[in-house]
Amino acid sequence: GESVGLHLPTLSVQEGDNSIINCAYSNSASDYFIWYKQESGKGPQFIIDIRSNMDKRQGQRVTVLLNKTVKHLSLQIAATQPGDSAVYFCAEGAREYGNKLVFGAGTILRVKS
Amino acid sequence: GAGVSQSPRYKVAKRGQDVALRCDPISGHVSLFWYQQALGQGPEFLTYFQNEAQLDKSGLPSDRFFAERPEGSVSTLKIQRTQQEDSAVYLCASSLVIQPGELFFGEGSRLTVL
Repeated sequence: GESVGLHLPTLSVQEGDNSIINCAYSNSASDYFIWYKQESGKGPQFIIDIRSNMDKRQGQRVTVLLNKTVKHLSLQIAATQPGDSAVYFCAEGAREYGNKLVFGAGTILRVKS
Repeated sequence: GAGVSQSPRYKVAKRGQDVALRCDPISGHVSLFWYQQALGQGPEFLTYFQNEAQLDKSGLPSDRFFAERPEGSVSTLKIQRTQQEDSAVYLCASSLVIQPGELFFGEGSRLTVL
């Protein structure tokens, strides 16, 4: 598979533990945020999104937290499973960006069995 | 098909060759994006179409890169006179909406320039 992640931060967790992946964004005018999961050799896959009028949103086993004061976004994964191993990207959207999303650098999540 | 389809999945080109990468978005999706993803990095925006109109091409790295979507469906990204620094995965994404929202990505086309 791809040897991605030579320069990406890595989070290693034990199977069954909770994972927290963090992202700092740069544009205080960003009003839409999204987390993507990318497995080796595949395109990014949607996990969860949140708009700036919210500070928390929950999905199935995942929670996204948004702190606009410090421009910080986090993704919490409950009961992490081996299938969660991937690279995780946060992305932001803002009116000044038009319709495009601007992606962060990514974090590798490795789940140990 | 049910998802975004890209072809070819893998392309090896000699430096100086022209390449064309195809994207077939989800049927009915108005918005189409091309991103470039270098090894170990996040996707970088290249260009955006709303139907057949190319509304943003600010991310295209040089005039060797050209994209089109003539009938508002299938899109082609063309790279002329390829250089080694063009080696990357080229991702296509489509969206049903025209404001920032979920993008549905294809598997990407991996270009290697020798």
